[in-house]
Amino acid sequence: EPEVTQTPSHQVTQMGQEVILRCVPISNHLYFYWYRQILGQKVEFLVSFYNNEISEKSEIFDDQFSVERPDGSNFTLKIRSTKLEDSAMYFCASLDTRQVRGYTFGSGTRLTVV
Amino acid sequence: AQKVTQAQTEISVVEKEDVTLDCVYETRDTTYYLFWYKQPPSGELVFLIRRNSFDEQNEISGRYSWNFQKSTSSFNFTITASQVVDSAVYFCALSEAGNNDMRFGAGTRLTVKP
Repeated sequence: EPEVTQTPSHQVTQMGQEVILRCVPISNHLYFYWYRQILGQKVEFLVSFYNNEISEKSEIFDDQFSVERPDGSNFTLKIRSTKLEDSAMYFCASLDTRQVRGYTFGSGTRLTVV
Repeated sequence: AQKVTQAQTEISVVEKEDVTLDCVYETRDTTYYLFWYKQPPSGELVFLIRRNSFDEQNEISGRYSWNFQKSTSSFNFTITASQVVDSAVYFCALSEAGNNDMRFGAGTRLTVKP
């Protein structure tokens, strides 16, 4: 079964550093998402991406965040200047509206900001 | 905007007991999708079910069953004869057909004791 792949599985970074989280969505999916889950809390929507542009973003997704689909296969989330409170699990997902399951999630990247 | 409420923060049962996890949702759309995901201690999000708003038929899959009631805006999940391996956080989620991004409830942590 096709998978959404996220790399790295765990990243430690220093406060103030830029970090890029990478995702390879399923190839024929058209909608892409990033979600965040702070440890022990709910899964929060960050941003959705369709047709090479952001279609919706949450209030969490401020100017420190950006997304890109640079080469037609990767889908990246960049955090420009990380803060301690950015420490969380970040999930990438892609969506095929025709499928019963719909959304396929990656296994997540755990970001730790120190 | 859509909203999902999982009022039960934590539930603890003894193996073989039945347990029901509650989910109440709010949406103004007439077309929407409801989901349940399981998050085991390893952290990934495991898809359990997707239901569209036009299909109120209850579903059973092995020990799992789902009760969708549009009249009360609820989509409850029952595990019959619970097992220790069912211990996880369970998330209910909703996506509206108009925007496709999925919003999660706060989750219910289920602990099944031997």
